[in-house]
Amino acid sequence: NAGVTQTPKFQVLKTGQSMTLQCAQDMNHEYMSWYRQDPGMGLRLIHYSVGAGITDQGEVPNGYNVSRSTTEDFPLRLLSAAPSQTSVYFCASSLGRYNSPLHFGNGTRLTVT
Amino acid sequence: DAKTTQPTSMDCAEGRAANLPCNHSTISGNEYVYWYRQIHSQGPQYIIHGLKNNETNEMASLIITEDRKSSTLILPHATLRDTAVYYCIVRVGGATNKLIFGTGTLLAVQP
Repeated sequence: NAGVTQTPKFQVLKTGQSMTLQCAQDMNHEYMSWYRQDPGMGLRLIHYSVGAGITDQGEVPNGYNVSRSTTEDFPLRLLSAAPSQTSVYFCASSLGRYNSPLHFGNGTRLTVT
Repeated sequence: DAKTTQPTSMDCAEGRAANLPCNHSTISGNEYVYWYRQIHSQGPQYIIHGLKNNETNEMASLIITEDRKSSTLILPHATLRDTAVYYCIVRVGGATNKLIFGTGTLLAVQP
């Protein structure tokens, strides 16, 4: 199993550009989520999904869209990038059961200039 | 979910036990205590979790006080590779698995 795979690893955008951060998992996990991590801060939850077709907002959803058309994929879209979205983004998944641990990808480092 | 309080940083000598404390005084009866760690800029890694009994796995032990208001993560023989930020999180059991991370404890293992 590859686990949780995030692409790209690094990305530079100009203000106003759009892009999609990809996240895929091959563990048949129902639950998937996106976090962002800024310097000196812990991880903050952006959006999450408890299964295909179901998504919900986390702590900091503004400026981001998600969809979950398949169990395996959970892309994160930035419609109009802003410098405040410069961050490291982590995708995570789990079986969704109450005591199942989250498995994290290795992150996408995004810079918006 | 209940809030947790952890020290900002701790040091530990290589080969000694590392004891990382966490306060969660507002924890509810159905909330689990989870521990994750993040090494440098990698994705967080699950360590251990528990409800009220002490737990042990190949990585660490988790000691939860009887009143469940605090817990301690124990790394029995710390190595340099255990240098990381350790996060203590409490969460309600359920399907959402929505973990809220704090700022954690930076554990520096010294040679």
